[in-house]
Amino acid sequence: KNQVEQSPQSLIILEGKNCTLQCNYTVSPFSNLRWYKQDTGRGPVSLTIMTFSENTKSNGRYTATLDADTKQSSLHITASQLSDSASYICVVSANTGGFKTIFGAGTRLFVKA
Amino acid sequence: EPEVTQTPSHQVTQMGQEVILRCVPISNHLYFYWYRQILGQKVEFLVSFYNNEISEKSEIFDDQFSVERPDGSNFTLKIRSTKLEDSAMYFCASSGLTTGPDTQYFGPGTRLTVL
Repeated sequence: KNQVEQSPQSLIILEGKNCTLQCNYTVSPFSNLRWYKQDTGRGPVSLTIMTFSENTKSNGRYTATLDADTKQSSLHITASQLSDSASYICVVSANTGGFKTIFGAGTRLFVKA
Repeated sequence: EPEVTQTPSHQVTQMGQEVILRCVPISNHLYFYWYRQILGQKVEFLVSFYNNEISEKSEIFDDQFSVERPDGSNFTLKIRSTKLEDSAMYFCASSGLTTGPDTQYFGPGTRLTVL
């Protein structure tokens, strides 16, 4: 069964600290993995997209890694800011002729001053 | 920067009524999507649309749902006879490429409340 599991469910960190969010998936055949940031009541905003051959991709203070062998990804946030408080969602697409997209439940990040 | 827009931002309807949610994708995009997010739950894929037809749909997208691109700019989601469990945030998204890992741009969502 195609699944995307994220951990932790929620996380509280102090402003300026770094954090790493995890994503494990069982989606097959794998096409790509995306990380999104979703503020409460808003639509998700894309942070990174990675295909099978990519191990790491950065977008400013966000760095995503992908291990296609172990089917794991992480999102590292450097020097967190209060505005980083949001849900971070891992999304995996399967190449099934069309593109089946499976969302994780997200990690709720709270950055405190 | 171009963005996906959705109207209305909030729709309240009575159970059994039909609703149409509207989206204006980014103008040069070719692939369109609808997602929903029930309060407190994860985002769920509903349907993708390309070249004036559905390319993929989920189990959620049953006969009560339909999508249409009535003109060159709008992309609509119709729910024929709403149920209480249809209450959710509905997001429209669009992307530029027909295949491959292209960035999907999401709209701000329409909050549907079914009473």
